[in-house]
Amino acid sequence: EPEVTQTPSHQVTQMGQEVILRCVPISNHLYFYWYRQILGQKVEFLVSFYNNEISEKSEIFDDQFSVERPDGSNFTLKIRSTKLEDSAMYFCASSEIGRNTEAFFGQGTRLTVV
Amino acid sequence: AQSVTQLGSHVSVSEGALVLLRCNYSSSVPPYLFWYVQYPNQGLQLLLKYTSAATLVKGINGFEAEFKKSETSFHLTKPSAHMSDAAEYFCAVTATGANNLFFGTGTRLTVIP
Repeated sequence: EPEVTQTPSHQVTQMGQEVILRCVPISNHLYFYWYRQILGQKVEFLVSFYNNEISEKSEIFDDQFSVERPDGSNFTLKIRSTKLEDSAMYFCASSEIGRNTEAFFGQGTRLTVV
Repeated sequence: AQSVTQLGSHVSVSEGALVLLRCNYSSSVPPYLFWYVQYPNQGLQLLLKYTSAATLVKGINGFEAEFKKSETSFHLTKPSAHMSDAAEYFCAVTATGANNLFFGTGTRLTVIP
């Protein structure tokens, strides 16, 4: 069964450092997403990406964040200068085009900023 | 704007008892609604979805949910809880014209032997 894969599963970084979280969406999917879940809180939408550009983003997704599809398979989330409050589980998801299709989520990357 | 509210951050049931997890939604347009499950240290797995077809939706692992427009609800049920059902459950709704999901705060289900 096709799945979304994320690497690494856990990343520890120092405050102020840049971090890149990587995702390989399901191959025939066209919409890609990043969500995050701060420990003990709800899953929050960060950004959606379609046709090589951001289609929607939340207020959380400020100038510190960027996304990229550097090749035909990877989808990355970059945080330029990490803060302590960026510590969270980051989920990548992908879906086929269409409002009634579900998003398939990866296992997540736990980012710890120290 | 779209949002969901999950009543009860923690629910405990005995093994074999009925599971009822509550979700109420708010949406300015007809919503598409989802239930996801998150097992410890794992990602989100889709349990079931409502996409304006049948109001009673059946999902995996014996779960089902009923869309009730008059009550703006989409509660998740399972007739008989199993130990393996212990997990965090999230209700979610789509936003108009987009595929991104708005999640509730989640309900942690504990199953007591």
